[in-house]
Formats: sequence, C-alpha cells, structure tokens
Amino acid sequence: AIQLTQSPSSLSASVGDRVTITCRASQGISSALAWYQQKPGKAPKLLIYDASSLESGVPSRFSGSGSGTDFTLTISSLQPEDFATYYCQQFNNYPEELTFGGGTKVEIK
Amino acid sequence: EVQLVESGGGLVQPGRSLRLSCAASGFTFDDYAMHWVRQAPGKGLEWVSGISWNSGSIGYADSVKGRFTISRDNAKNSLYLQMNSLRAEDTALYYCAKDWNDILTGYPDYWGQGTLVTVSS
Repeated sequence: AIQLTQSPSSLSASVGDRVTITCRASQGISSALAWYQQKPGKAPKLLIYDASSLESGVPSRFSGSGSGTDFTLTISSLQPEDFATYYCQQFNNYPEELTFGGGTKVEIK
Repeated sequence: EVQLVESGGGLVQPGRSLRLSCAASGFTFDDYAMHWVRQAPGKGLEWVSGISWNSGSIGYADSVKGRFTISRDNAKNSLYLQMNSLRAEDTALYYCAKDWNDILTGYPDYWGQGTLVTVSS
C-alpha cells in the first residue's frame, strides 16, 4: 500500500505568515492527491483536489502543488481561522483504497 | 444542502458486533461512491472502507478486512457498516463521507459529524 508522510507533524506560526506543509508518497501517484483541513471537534473539509485544484468556496490563500511523490500545501498569509490540522489523502486503483497522511497541526505562535 | 447523519455508535464489549448507519440527503445518493473514515481519540484519519455507486466495487483497509462489511441501500439513501469481532483498537469516531464521483477511488468531499464507537469491557 502507498504510504503518505507529512512534514512537519506540527508547526507554530503567526497571523500573516506564509506556511508550507509537505506530503511525500512512497511511490508515484501522478496528481491524485487532496488536502483537508480539520478543526477541533469538526469533520474534515476538502480544500484542494488533484494536487492543485481549489475546491469551491475555499479562500485563494490556499494553494497546492506537486506531482509524482512530492506535494505541497501553501497558505500564503495565515489567518486566525486557519489554525487547524491539515491532512493529505491519495487513492489507489489497484487495490482500491484511500490513504491519509499523518496530519500537520498548525498552531498559534 | 448535502447532509450525512451517522448513527449506531456506542459502547460495546470486545468481540461483539455493531452496525453503523448513515442517512444521506441533499444529493442524488446513487450517483456517488461512499466511504467510512475513522479517527481514534487524538489521532489522525484512517480510511476504513468504501463502496461504489452500485456496490460493484468495495474496498477495505487491511486493519478491518474480514471483520467489517460495508453496504448501501440506494432506495433508502443509506450507507451501512457492519462491524464484527470488535477490538479495543477499533475505538474511534466513525465518519460517513460522500465521494466526489461514482467510483470507489476518489476524494471524499462531504462528511458527516461522526458517530463514536467505544470498544471496552
């Protein structure tokens, strides 16, 4: 099964900072990667799909890039509502399965 | 508005069974694949199982294969997860999630609020 490794596992940042989170796949997955945001006590929310496509309604300060094995989620100017945990996710066709990364917690500095 | 409402969670002893349900509304249920994703307390997300729009494709995580069974009833707009031989490590919040397309492999784009399963003696 393909593994997804996120780094860092946590980070501290200030409002207005540029934040970058990395997700590495154990083998190439083309652009089949999504990013989710989860706030405490809430369900995950889809932010980015197909590595770089912004989900409808998601602020443009969020962006995704990468293909193959290395992917990045960038928040261009961190806002108070962005403090949360972020997960990457990919899918396999054979066998049919989904995989999530371990998560990155973004905390207030 | 898409709504997914899970039910059926609770406290259960190791080795026993539990059946989770998810009632869907606000979209054409039989146009989309569906998933169960769980989150142990204080831990990350783990995909449990998924099912295509017509139940033709089904997948399970290795950790639940042979113990859990996913199913859906398109006439009732409902998704189910039959969980047998439960273990302490199955303790988690179980989310029902809609996929963005009709096949099993994709991106969950809407999620319910979850139902808590606690396995303990």
